[in-house]
Amino acid sequence: KAGVTQTPRYLIKTRGQQVTLSCSPISGHRSVSWYQQTPGQGLQFLFEYFSETQRNKGNFPGRFSGRQFSNSRSEMNVSTLELGDSALYLCASTPDGLSGVYEQYFGPGTRLTVT
Amino acid sequence: GESVGLHLPTLSVQEGDNSIINCAYSNSASDYFIWYKQESGKGPQFIIDIRSNMDKRQGQRVTVLLNKTVKHLSLQIAATQPGDSAVYFCAENRPGSARQLTFGSGTQLTVLP
Repeated sequence: KAGVTQTPRYLIKTRGQQVTLSCSPISGHRSVSWYQQTPGQGLQFLFEYFSETQRNKGNFPGRFSGRQFSNSRSEMNVSTLELGDSALYLCASTPDGLSGVYEQYFGPGTRLTVT
Repeated sequence: GESVGLHLPTLSVQEGDNSIINCAYSNSASDYFIWYKQESGKGPQFIIDIRSNMDKRQGQRVTVLLNKTVKHLSLQIAATQPGDSAVYFCAENRPGSARQLTFGSGTQLTVLP
């Protein structure tokens, strides 16, 4: 079974631009979560989607948004990029959308550099 | 504020020795904990998990211990191998935050030949 895939793997953008990152979960997984990883802040939760609905949201500004499609694929968007948005963005999928199953499988991440 | 944190940022061990990586958590109501391994250029890889109603769980060469009295979590790796070199994170699931894991800052494990 293929793992979580993320595209693109690397991205360079300029301040003020916007960016869209994509995540394809493991087949059959319905919950997708996004995390930001930086050396200073570590791994921080952005949001989680299940059945095309945002179910949880972390403490990030409204510039960070996401969505999920009917096939469970998810995208996240960052508008008006800032230098501090440079990070590794990780997507994780979970087998079961119901409570009681928490194991998350991570993709390789998208390395975003904002110049 | 409440957080999941690690005692040591780096740990070096000789190949073949056992490794112990520690983690402190502050939310006594957290009900689920996971250890992840992250190699350079890769996403975190699930190692082992434990629920709060357990105090020990074993996997292949790994054991996780949970001490709820002092809110401490540890990962023991037996017969550490060069391929074990990576950053190890503990993560907790806090009540009311299904699938919103809170991660510790990570410990860099280096296996010496």
